[in-house]
Amino acid sequence: QVQLVESGGGVVQPGRSLRLSCAASGFIFSSNAIHWVRQSPGKGPEWVAVTSYGGTKAYYADSVKGRFTISRDNSKNTVYLQMNSLRPEDTAVYYCARDSVDILELGPGYWGQGTLVTVSS
Amino acid sequence: QTVVTQEPSLTVSPGGTVTLTCASSTGAVNSGYYPNWFQQKPGEPPRALIYSTTIKHYWTPARFSGSLLGGKAALTLSGVQPEDEADYYCLLYYGGTWAFGGGTKLTVL
Repeated sequence: QVQLVESGGGVVQPGRSLRLSCAASGFIFSSNAIHWVRQSPGKGPEWVAVTSYGGTKAYYADSVKGRFTISRDNSKNTVYLQMNSLRPEDTAVYYCARDSVDILELGPGYWGQGTLVTVSS
Repeated sequence: QTVVTQEPSLTVSPGGTVTLTCASSTGAVNSGYYPNWFQQKPGEPPRALIYSTTIKHYWTPARFSGSLLGGKAALTLSGVQPEDEADYYCLLYYGGTWAFGGGTKLTVL
């Protein structure tokens, strides 16, 4: 079955960097777009970024554009989220999610359990 | 800045029918926004219910259905069960990027 496992979360000071990983299994990894979605405590989810199935396209929410970079290594079935210049408002649980369909981008259908990022001095 | 708007809260009786809606600040929602719907219960990740307006995941109960209604995306629950009490979020596509609505807290009472 589809499995997505996030890692790399933790406590980091404002202005520092962190890289999250999302390890995937149970499907043909190179066939699906992967999204990152975050959720701050007590708030609704916020879409963060998506990488296309081949890794040639990436899109970002305005709130993270220029600071976060999404990438993927199809040989390792892993997607990364490099987060630079972190701010307290980036504090959230970060979920990776596989798109609902192959090749296209129709929305995040299969979700991991998330990893918590806390930005605090 | 795009804003996606949902009803903050709704209440429905067990066995009843309720419709949640999802509007975009950019105008009428159509199929090109590929509306998605998610259910979230406390302590759990969001669970996808519907994508591309009407398509259910294999795990989505038959009582959930998606549609377009009056320029908005809509999620209808027919024959509501107590376990449907949860937060519901819509997600819309904006030419590469996506945006969630603020969510609807559904109470089954």
